[in-house]
Amino acid sequence: SQELEQSPQSLIVQEGKNLTINCTSSKTLYGLYWYKQKYGEGLIFLMMLQKGGEEKSHEKITAKLDEKKQQSSLHITASQPSHAGIYLCGADIGGELTFGQGTILTVHP
Amino acid sequence: SQTIHQWPATLVQPVGSPLSLECTVEGTSNPNLYWYRQAAGRGLQLLFYSVGIGQISSEVPQNLSASRPQDRQFILSSKKLLLSDSGFYLCACPSRGRATGELFFGEGSRLTVL
Repeated sequence: SQELEQSPQSLIVQEGKNLTINCTSSKTLYGLYWYKQKYGEGLIFLMMLQKGGEEKSHEKITAKLDEKKQQSSLHITASQPSHAGIYLCGADIGGELTFGQGTILTVHP
Repeated sequence: SQTIHQWPATLVQPVGSPLSLECTVEGTSNPNLYWYRQAAGRGLQLLFYSVGIGQISSEVPQNLSASRPQDRQFILSSKKLLLSDSGFYLCACPSRGRATGELFFGEGSRLTVL
């Protein structure tokens, strides 16, 4: 089974809409990372969260880590076509960076 | 700044043929290097990591092998490819001076085994 579960697996939104992607683990996460990947390309680091309740923002993307440090959410406000891609969460589990299966985001203009 | 070059970008190979994917890193020295595989609809799976020349650790039993002949060169190989080896292969290293989990990725090599 996947140690990091992402939901939804795919998401289609209209430009301008808000959206949220979730990343859940059954274990306490010591370091939660969000990456974005355009199809067929490498991953680009977005944000890192380490403390329970921590929240970070970069432009229109906000990521939060819950107090128990077992769930993180990535929220995009007023989505744009440039936000389209695959979003992956990663976490330090057992000393290795383990990734979720990714969420494919499509933004229709 | 760091740069990771992966070659080739795309590869179509028959079952049973050999494989060699190359990763070279610029802008850093003595980096930890990682090979990940991304299968369709799945997250990234760590295949190998290396902390230095000639030092390879394997994460999963598989048909592939890795070598690090030089400080900034990491090679993924197979003697005989299987259909299940198809996927998108990514080389990565830690972003210089950043937290362990903040990795810098290459552009990937897409392998299709027919």
